Amino acid sequence: GENVEQHPSTLSVQEGDSAVIKCTYSDSASNYFPWYKQELGKRPQLIIDIRSNVGEKKDQRIAVTLNKTAKHFSLHITETQPEDSAVYFCAATGTGTASKLTFGTGTRLQVTL
Amino acid sequence: NAGVMQNPRHLVRRRGQEARLRCSPMKGHSHVYWYRQLPEEGLKFMVYLQKENIIDESGMPKERFSAEFPKEGPSILRIQQVVRGDSAAYFCASSRGSTTNEKLFFGSGTQLSVL
Repeated sequence: GENVEQHPSTLSVQEGDSAVIKCTYSDSASNYFPWYKQELGKRPQLIIDIRSNVGEKKDQRIAVTLNKTAKHFSLHITETQPEDSAVYFCAATGTGTASKLTFGTGTRLQVTL
Repeated sequence: NAGVMQNPRHLVRRRGQEARLRCSPMKGHSHVYWYRQLPEEGLKFMVYLQKENIIDESGMPKERFSAEFPKEGPSILRIQQVVRGDSAAYFCASSRGSTTNEKLFFGSGTQLSVL
């Protein structure tokens, strides 16, 4: 099955700086890569996603890039703000009607003033 | 359009009791997934169901755990004879179709505490 690895496990940046979180996946058939943000005690919320026919996608301060050849994808947050502090999870899903999301282990992002 | 609804939010059980966690998917969603999250850890897949069918239960322990998604009513994750190691947050998620093509949305979770 799919295996997703995520780095770093913790990341501390100063407000206004950029943050980058990287993930690799094992199943070359995977074709959908969402990112979720989870605040303490809350549900994971979808913040951005990318499909395998696209190399990059941007939504305001967040962007995701995908390299299918290398089987890795990254989340980029620019101009970080304190409210960006949370745990971020990447995920990957394969093809087929029985596909499911496999999650990375998460990155705890701390944005300091 | 209400989101994915889970109840209860918090559930306390003593060792050996049964725990029943309920999940109502978003309107129009017929695919339900259950994930378990231990403190400071990621989301571990347990089971994937469509109406009245279990599609993939590869992440669910063979003993004590069961799941259903009946034609009418919410999906139920049932844990029999709970042990302390079952203490975790259990998240339900739903999608309109396979996650190959559809987005997955999570409920607020049930925090299970086993005394």
